Amino acid sequence: DGGITQSPKYLFRKEGQNVTLSCEQNLNHDAMYWYRQDPGQGLRLIYYSQIVNDFQKGDIAEGYSVSREKKESFPLTVTSAQKNPTAFYLCASSIDLGYKNEQYFGPGTRLTVT
Amino acid sequence: SQQGEEDPQALSIQEGENATMNCSYKTSINNLQWYRQNSGRGLVHLILIRSNEREKHSGRLRVTLDTSKKSSSLLITASRAADTASYFCATDADFGNEKLTFGTGTRLTIIP
Repeated sequence: DGGITQSPKYLFRKEGQNVTLSCEQNLNHDAMYWYRQDPGQGLRLIYYSQIVNDFQKGDIAEGYSVSREKKESFPLTVTSAQKNPTAFYLCASSIDLGYKNEQYFGPGTRLTVT
Repeated sequence: SQQGEEDPQALSIQEGENATMNCSYKTSINNLQWYRQNSGRGLVHLILIRSNEREKHSGRLRVTLDTSKKSSSLLITASRAADTASYFCATDADFGNEKLTFGTGTRLTIIP
């Protein structure tokens, strides 16, 4: 059963703590993405990766970090430097990088920082 | 900055009626995609229309694209309760840019 998994579904953290969100895909896709969604808003791109060991900043990368050590995995760390970390985080993948490809999304992780 | 803007922001219709939502964008595009998001879930790809296409169908979905007006519309015919969701358009932000930019979405509610 192919797809993208994100864990956990809900995550709670205290302010000042770093937290890592998991994203795994078994679709054999080269490109992976992290988006942030705030209530009533569209998606904003945080980071994206075209191949293993390579990733690029998106529109709102400040306060976030990523790694791409394996093709299947693209974890996102929300650092204490992110001023408003509470949000819904979505991971996606596509066959390769490019606007012509549809993106497949995971179920999302809702992060709450208090 | 937001490339796509959906209109209306929210739409409520009776089951069985048709639902139309629109997307406007600012710069030239290579293609435009529509996605659906059920509440609290990830997005699901619905349809992709290329800049040289004017209309595309997929089941009960009909998408049109007018590049001269920089707009697209998504029509859902014979709506069902299961169509209740938010719908987003996505485009490449600048011609040749590899990234997708998503609009703010239209929240569709189907009343049984």
